[in-house]
Amino acid sequence: DAGVIQSPRHEVTEMGQEVTLRCKPISGHDYLFWYRQTMMRGLELLIYFNNNVPIDDSGMPEDRFSAKMPNASFSTLKIQPSEPRDSAVYFCASSLSRSLRELFFGEGSRLTVL
Amino acid sequence: AQSVTQLDSQVPVFEEAPVELRCNYSSSVSVYLFWYVQYPNQGLQLLLKYLSGSTLVKGINGFEAEFNKSQTSFHLRKPSVHISDTAEYFCAVSPYNTDKLIFGTGTRLQVFP
Repeated sequence: DAGVIQSPRHEVTEMGQEVTLRCKPISGHDYLFWYRQTMMRGLELLIYFNNNVPIDDSGMPEDRFSAKMPNASFSTLKIQPSEPRDSAVYFCASSLSRSLRELFFGEGSRLTVL
Repeated sequence: AQSVTQLDSQVPVFEEAPVELRCNYSSSVSVYLFWYVQYPNQGLQLLLKYLSGSTLVKGINGFEAEFNKSQTSFHLRKPSVHISDTAEYFCAVSPYNTDKLIFGTGTRLQVFP
């Protein structure tokens, strides 16, 4: 079975550019999470969806960040405009409601903003 | 609000030695407890979880953890580690009343031959 698929795996961009990260959750999973990992702050929950509906976006750092889930098999995390402090590894994870927080993580998207 | 404290950022240990990775949490509501492992350049994967019942939980790869409610701890242990256990280990909590998983800052376990 395919796991959670994220793209791109690596992204290097310049400050001010728009960045779009993509995620395909495991088929049949009804929860999707976006996390950011940095050395300074560890793993931070940015936003999560249930049945494609955003449930909690309190972790989104500021208005430059937005996330969408147009259907059950696709989600995007967009940063516009990007800043150097956004450099991090962004993880997408999915889970089944009945499996009680057993999250399946993608391999992450490493973003570097110059 | 909830928080997770992993007291050791790095734990070096020799192969076949026992290891304990410490985790303490703070929460005003009841929580579920988890340990996840992250191998280099990979996403996290579930090692074990405590939902209810016996306070000693066994996970994959020979790891176990014990829930101590009075000390609000959930320490991870393995009696004999292997080189392949070298990874980052994350403790996490999830309040009963939400679907969020809140992670600690991680402990890097380095196993030496």
